Amino acid sequence: KAGVTQTPRYLIKTRGQQVTLSCSPISGHRSVSWYQQTPGQGLQFLFEYFSETQRNKGNFPGRFSGRQFSNSRSEMNVSTLELGDSALYLCASSLETSGSLDTQYFGPGTRLTVL
Amino acid sequence: AQSVAQPEDQVNVAEGNPLTVKCTYSVSGNPYLFWYVQYPNRGLQFLLKYITGDNLVKGSYGFEAEFNKSQTSFHLKKPSALVSDSALYFCAVRAAYSGAGSYQLTFGKGTKLSVIP
Repeated sequence: KAGVTQTPRYLIKTRGQQVTLSCSPISGHRSVSWYQQTPGQGLQFLFEYFSETQRNKGNFPGRFSGRQFSNSRSEMNVSTLELGDSALYLCASSLETSGSLDTQYFGPGTRLTVL
Repeated sequence: AQSVAQPEDQVNVAEGNPLTVKCTYSVSGNPYLFWYVQYPNRGLQFLLKYITGDNLVKGSYGFEAEFNKSQTSFHLKKPSALVSDSALYFCAVRAAYSGAGSYQLTFGKGTKLSVIP
């Protein structure tokens, strides 16, 4: 079974631009979560989607948004980029069937550099 | 609010020796606990998890972890370290209930493990 895939793997943008990152979950997984990883703040939760609905959101400004499509693929968007948005953005997927706890499996990440 | 502490930024161990990477947690109610490993320029790779039951959990690549409820700890262990185990290790916690706020993992800052040949 193919793992979680993220595109693009690397991205360079300038301040003020916007960016869209894409995540394809493991086949059959319905939950997709996004995390930001930086040397200073570590791994921080951005948001989680299940069946096209955002169920959980972390403590990030409104410039960070996401969505999930009917095939469970997800995108996250960052508008008006700031230097501090430079980070590794990780996507994770899990089954999240009713009443069960499923492991989150992570993709390789998208390395975003803001100049 | 839930939190995870990994008190050691770096752990050095000689190849063949046992290793321990420490983790303590704080969460309302029962915890779900996880260990992940990250190699350079890679995503996180799942090692093992504790949900309920046996306090000693066995995972991938010979790793195991011991859940201690009274000490709120979930230390990662391996009897004999390999050079290839050198990587960044993350402990994570998730609340054991359904509903808003329960779907996220809260991670520790990570511990860099260096296994010396």
